[in-house]
Amino acid sequence: TQLLEQSPQFLSIQEGENLTVYCNSSSVFSSLQWYRQEPGEGPVLLVTVVTGGEVKKLKRLTFQFGDARKDSSLHITAAQPGDTGLYLCAGPTSGTYKYIFGTGTRLKVLA
Amino acid sequence: NAGVTQTPKFQVLKTGQSMTLQCAQDMNHEYMSWYRQDPGMGLRLIHYSVGAGITDQGEVPNGYNVSRSTTEDFPLRLLSAAPSQTSVYFCASSRTSIDEQFFGPGTRLTVL
Repeated sequence: TQLLEQSPQFLSIQEGENLTVYCNSSSVFSSLQWYRQEPGEGPVLLVTVVTGGEVKKLKRLTFQFGDARKDSSLHITAAQPGDTGLYLCAGPTSGTYKYIFGTGTRLKVLA
Repeated sequence: NAGVTQTPKFQVLKTGQSMTLQCAQDMNHEYMSWYRQDPGMGLRLIHYSVGAGITDQGEVPNGYNVSRSTTEDFPLRLLSAAPSQTSVYFCASSRTSIDEQFFGPGTRLTVL
């Protein structure tokens, strides 16, 4: 069974601080996606990473896919209260058509 | 386009009752899936479908049934509700199993 483990589970920081969220698996993923979910809503896609070692930037958010395609990270620079939410990594499992989500990281940025 | 729609938005059931959560999409997506999300947690895959007439089990399928008679609709049936099924249920659709998932607004289900 392929799993996506995220750490930390919870993160509370002050506005302006930097943070990194990790997504790890023992299995190889052909691609990974990061979503953000706000209370009462479904997740919304932030980015897709496909190539091992790939780095993508979305304003103050930097996403990296591990060289072996077993892990990914999300780094936020100078966090703002608007970054508050649940961050989820997700991806298609190999050998099946299942699309699974990570355990989630709940981020709270205090003004 | 309405995207992915789910009904109802809220539901309260008694233990042992059955019900169907409705999901429809108007994007002509082949892949559809159901997830449950417990408080503060990620999403767990219940069932998925790669096209009309084809369904398969996800990570937590027990107590749930699905069918996919059309591309647009993917209802989720709770056969005999249990308190452990209290959760928020999300339906999602995508072009294929590796593409961006588009989510409905969710159904908040409470089983007493």
